[in-house]
Amino acid sequence: DGGITQSPKYLFRKEGQNVTLSCEQNLNHDAMYWYRQDPGQGLRLIYYSQIVNDFQKGDIAEGYSVSREKKESFPLTVTSAQKNPTAFYLCASRGRYEQYFGPGTRLTVT
Amino acid sequence: GQNIDQPTEMTATEGAIVQINCTYQTSGFNGLFWYQQHAGEAPTFLSYNVLDGLEEKGRFSSFLSRSKGYSYLLLKELQMKDSASYLCAANYGGATNKLIFGTGTLLAVQP
Repeated sequence: DGGITQSPKYLFRKEGQNVTLSCEQNLNHDAMYWYRQDPGQGLRLIYYSQIVNDFQKGDIAEGYSVSREKKESFPLTVTSAQKNPTAFYLCASRGRYEQYFGPGTRLTVT
Repeated sequence: GQNIDQPTEMTATEGAIVQINCTYQTSGFNGLFWYQQHAGEAPTFLSYNVLDGLEEKGRFSSFLSRSKGYSYLLLKELQMKDSASYLCAANYGGATNKLIFGTGTLLAVQP
């Protein structure tokens, strides 16, 4: 089945630790995106990548890093510099015009 | 900024029709998307409008007026499973498809 997978579904970390969220797609899409979703707020763009080995900062990139070494994979690292990392993280890839979302990872940092 | 405005919550009755409005800033606008999101799940694509007018897809329709910076999502013959959050998102990034999302409208369908 074609789609986007994110793992794990739930992730718990201690403050001060870096954590990497996985995103894999087998849709053969070039463009991929990372968003975070907080209660009462819309999805906000963290990073996006139009093609392998290239990525751009979104609206809230501070405290995050990404890599795009393979077309299928776009992992997101939440670093200790991110002040409020607890959120629901969504990865997406773009088809002809619409974005398809993965199931999300709910990250809790205490 | 590129604010997307939509109502926070709406309530409707099973079998009825509901219209969810969305307004956006027109400068740099390239197209408008509607997504459905059930609690704790990923958003799923509903519709895309780039030209003025109504796009119909089964029980769901979406309308766009580019000059007015206005869109709506129309849901007919409401079912209980339509209870969800509906997200309006505007493309201001052209080919990069950078979307700005509204906060979502939480629709509760009552029996």
